[in-house]
Amino acid sequence: QQQVKQSPQSLIVQKGGISIINCAYENTAFDYFPWYQQFPGKGPALLIAIRPDVSEKKEGRFTISFNKSAKQFSLHIMDSQPGDSATYFCAASSTSGTYKYIFGTGTRLKVLA
Amino acid sequence: EAGVAQSPRYKIIEKRQSVAFWCNPISGHATLYWYQQILGQGPKLLIQFQNNGVVDDSQLPKDRFSAERLKGVDSTLKIQPAKLEDSAVYLCASSLGPVIEQYFGPGTRLTVT
Repeated sequence: QQQVKQSPQSLIVQKGGISIINCAYENTAFDYFPWYQQFPGKGPALLIAIRPDVSEKKEGRFTISFNKSAKQFSLHIMDSQPGDSATYFCAASSTSGTYKYIFGTGTRLKVLA
Repeated sequence: EAGVAQSPRYKIIEKRQSVAFWCNPISGHATLYWYQQILGQGPKLLIQFQNNGVVDDSQLPKDRFSAERLKGVDSTLKIQPAKLEDSAVYLCASSLGPVIEQYFGPGTRLTVT
């Protein structure tokens, strides 16, 4: 029940295309869902995050869509650029308790120029 | 604002040897986390500190791993003795408190031969 399932494992997108990464969770106590971006040799960096009181959050080219009833959330990268090539991790946490993050397994995104 | 600092960046040791990693969190951040990231997987929380105290160490292999946070600032993570399966990147993260946004350091890549 603590798992966060992420798909796809890898993704290749043409420059200017839309990249979509999906995550699903089981624990209904989760109420905070961040996405992290990680470049090789670097630590993960917070990209965007959402709470279940909204169904969508947009920051620039990055959008999180959240479906509370399905217990799923996804990251959409619009107008994907080669500089977006990185590994993306979704995570889930509960704002009560220890706020421990449960990370997905990651999606390696490659945007072709 | 300086980010989370970690050292060393890389370490190669033989199995059964010991190793220690150091982390300096963002100034003023009371909560500190150590994660283990095995190649191709998402980060897994090993231990979480709130100031000097341990909040969660449920996934820390206590027979070989230990961690401390002196004076509620810097932290060290030690492995003794190391096993081949400990080869991973060890990430340190910090946050202002038991809130959500966690900021990660660059990690220490450990190779156990």
